Amino acid sequence: RKEVEQDPGPFNVPEGATVAFNCTYSNSASQSFFWYRQDCRKEPKLLMSVYSSGNEDGRFTAQLNRASQYISLLIRDSKLSDSATYLCVVNSYSGGYQKVTFGTGTKLQVIP
Amino acid sequence: DGGITQSPKYLFRKEGQNVTLSCEQNLNHDAMYWYRQDPGQGLRLIYYSQIVNDFQKGDIAEGYSVSREKKESFPLTVTSAQKNPTAFYLCASTDKRGQPQHFGDGTRLSIL
Repeated sequence: RKEVEQDPGPFNVPEGATVAFNCTYSNSASQSFFWYRQDCRKEPKLLMSVYSSGNEDGRFTAQLNRASQYISLLIRDSKLSDSATYLCVVNSYSGGYQKVTFGTGTKLQVIP
Repeated sequence: DGGITQSPKYLFRKEGQNVTLSCEQNLNHDAMYWYRQDPGQGLRLIYYSQIVNDFQKGDIAEGYSVSREKKESFPLTVTSAQKNPTAFYLCASTDKRGQPQHFGDGTRLSIL
């Protein structure tokens, strides 16, 4: 089983739609969680951190479920500019070292 | 402005040649990372360094080498032993445990 798993998509949604991505992780000791956005042929950019209580940033809402070991990202009122690959990232610690594990990403295409 | 600078943006390697990719950060971050990304794939960890003069192999270290003589700099050498080096190489850094990574804008390496 992969340490971090995401549905690769693509998710093709019309403008204005609400879309949700899930990401599961296998290490129950994982401690911090993030969503990144990566545009084609560009570097990943931090979209938002994910907190246990859930957090919102404009049209984006992130949730963490530690019991079920998954995180989610909800995008409301999708824009054409939201088209990108969304990467989930999980940090864990072992032997004094921080380990950062990326999911393979979920591709979103917002259609006019 | 603080950030991570990778150079060059594009690099071509001849058969049997070693090439070095530069990564410099002025964010005063302790930890630095190198990733490889192949087309349509996720990020794979090559090497990481938590402090100066210390580094650890990631998942795909064979054919690569690094050094961390200064906090600001973490160069990656792609050796001739790496038989399939064509990829997008990303450098990242982070300051404290639990914080998200910041990325440089990457180097695209191709074989001549």
